[in-house]
Formats: sequence, C-alpha cells, structure tokens
Amino acid sequence: ETGVTQTPRHLVMGMTNKKSLKCEQHLGHNAMYWYKQSAKKPLELMFVYNFKEQTENNSVPSRFSPECPNSSHLFLHLHTLQPEDSALYLCASSQDVGGRRNTIYFGEGSWLTVV
Amino acid sequence: DAKTTQPNSMESNEEEPVHLPCNHSTISGTDYIHWYRQLPSQGPEYVIHGLTSNVNNRMASLAIAEDRKSSTLILHRATLRDAAVYYCILRSNDYKLSFGAGTTVTVRA
Repeated sequence: ETGVTQTPRHLVMGMTNKKSLKCEQHLGHNAMYWYKQSAKKPLELMFVYNFKEQTENNSVPSRFSPECPNSSHLFLHLHTLQPEDSALYLCASSQDVGGRRNTIYFGEGSWLTVV
Repeated sequence: DAKTTQPNSMESNEEEPVHLPCNHSTISGTDYIHWYRQLPSQGPEYVIHGLTSNVNNRMASLAIAEDRKSSTLILHRATLRDAAVYYCILRSNDYKLSFGAGTTVTVRA
C-alpha cells in the first residue's frame, strides 16, 4: 500500500467510448502525475499538477484530458482512444514538484485495453 | 536528467546478495542518484537514494563511487519477492523522473 489508489485496475473500452481513470492520494502531497507505460517501453510522463495547477503537458494528444479538482484527486478522462493507447496508466504523487531528494509514490496502475 | 546505463538483466539465487551496477558518467555535482523497482503488474516503488555517501535502509544499500560516475545497488539477501525491474535514475532539481529500460532481476529458488 503506497498511499496512492487508482481505480479501476482494469478497463476495456471501445474506440467511441468515454471513460475516466481516477487517482487518489492519502499522503498529503501537493504534486500529482500521470505516466503511461506501454509494452516494452520505458515509462513516459504525461501530465504534472502542482497545487492543482497543470505544470506539464508532455505533448499528449487531446483525447487524453486530465483534471485535478484538489491536491488529493487526479482524473484522466479518455475519449475516442485508439488501440495503440492500450497501456498501463500510472498515477503518482510527491510532496511537491521540486527537489532532487523528492520521493515519488506510484499507484498500482490502471490497465487500459482499447478495442 | 543525465543518462544512466544499466545491464539488461541479472540472475541471482535466493538468499544470496545481488549487486546491480549503474553507470552515470555525465552526472552533475548536484544530481541525486535514485533507485526504484517495479514488481510485475505493479507501479514502481522507491528503493533508496543518495548523493555522495553510501546509504543503507531496510530494503537495500547504495554504494556510490568516489568520483560519482557509477553506483551499485546491493540487495543483501535476495528473495523471490525481489524479482523486479530495477531503475537507476539521476534527479536534478526538477520534477521529471525519467525512466530507462532498467535491469530485470530474476531470483532462482
């Protein structure tokens, strides 16, 4: 138990569906992140939020839409995805975005399959 | 973040030590060395980090070369639960944790 909870753990969706991934952290952190991990590829940073404000969008297609209503919750809204978007989506949090010593805590991930 | 180089894979026997090397010849003077690991079907988890001195915690030890161009993560007694991908990452003063391919550790019973 890392203190970062992701739901659902598994999601299958069609290319015309709209779905959302949810992340909640119980660590009192101020920064939250979305990462994508495709098969046989390194983790890719997608979005960063610090104190609810988006500070990084790593050239992510608009079919992925993040939302951070408060420092404890982060959503990833999904619409009109492609099969190549199938991957493990990881949420993470840290005390804040700065700092070489900051530890980042990851959730267990949401496995997404687009059919 | 500066680049790191790790072997693709390593094997170990249960209850034996595992030494995981990492080369980071372009490390800057203020970069911290972090290690994370990712167990199958889980998100990465923090293992240990250090700057110059060797570090120990309940999970592992981190030995840092005097010139800081390399480091070694040491698992003192490998268990089956230690089978994972281990990532060596250099952190400068920003938030971007950049993961490479890591080292896949296999533990034989």
